[in-house]
Amino acid sequence: AQSVTQPDIHITVSEGASLELRCNYSYGATPYLFWYVQSPGQGLQLLLKYFSGDTLVQGIKGFEAEFKRSQSSFNLRKPSVHWSDAAEYFCAVGARYSTLTFGKGTMLLVSP
Amino acid sequence: GAGVSQSPSNKVTEKGKDVELRCDPISGHTALYWYRQRLGQGLEFLIYFQGNSAPDKSGLPSDRFSAERTGESVSTLTIQRTQQEDSAVYLCASSLGGGGNYGYTFGSGTRLTVV
Repeated sequence: AQSVTQPDIHITVSEGASLELRCNYSYGATPYLFWYVQSPGQGLQLLLKYFSGDTLVQGIKGFEAEFKRSQSSFNLRKPSVHWSDAAEYFCAVGARYSTLTFGKGTMLLVSP
Repeated sequence: GAGVSQSPSNKVTEKGKDVELRCDPISGHTALYWYRQRLGQGLEFLIYFQGNSAPDKSGLPSDRFSAERTGESVSTLTIQRTQQEDSAVYLCASSLGGGGNYGYTFGSGTRLTVV
């Protein structure tokens, strides 16, 4: 069975600083990997996805993520965080014939 | 429609009452999913529809929960005899196909409060 671990429940980053949110997955074959963001009172919005090919994927709002098969990781990064990035971030893993499995989320707080 | 629409956006109900939550997926999306998100928790999978059949309903927590879907259109999630532990945000998502290789588009959710 596939699973996703987001080790950090909360992260606080200063505005303008860089950000890395960790995601580790467990799946036997090549996974499909996603990052979603949820602002308060909103549904989840897709930031980026990895299916195959280049292991560094670019997403919306200046986010990127790198797939590292050897580490079973798909960490989300942003070079300079803005106050509007404060939200909850979810990593998800999928397989071709299964539904997505989501991590428990990481809450990002941005300090002035 | 342009996005996934859920109604109502908020629902307060008395313990023991039945509630119906509605989801209107993106036109052409054959797959539809229901998730539950309790305060401070991640997403808990409830049920998946492909067309109007439900290949996976393993996440429904009890027989008080049921869902149906009309064709490749609207779905309703029904909770009978609501309990306080049912209080949560119920999220609906749809996708082009049923595999995990499709990204999901989520609605804004229905916040259910059982008092």
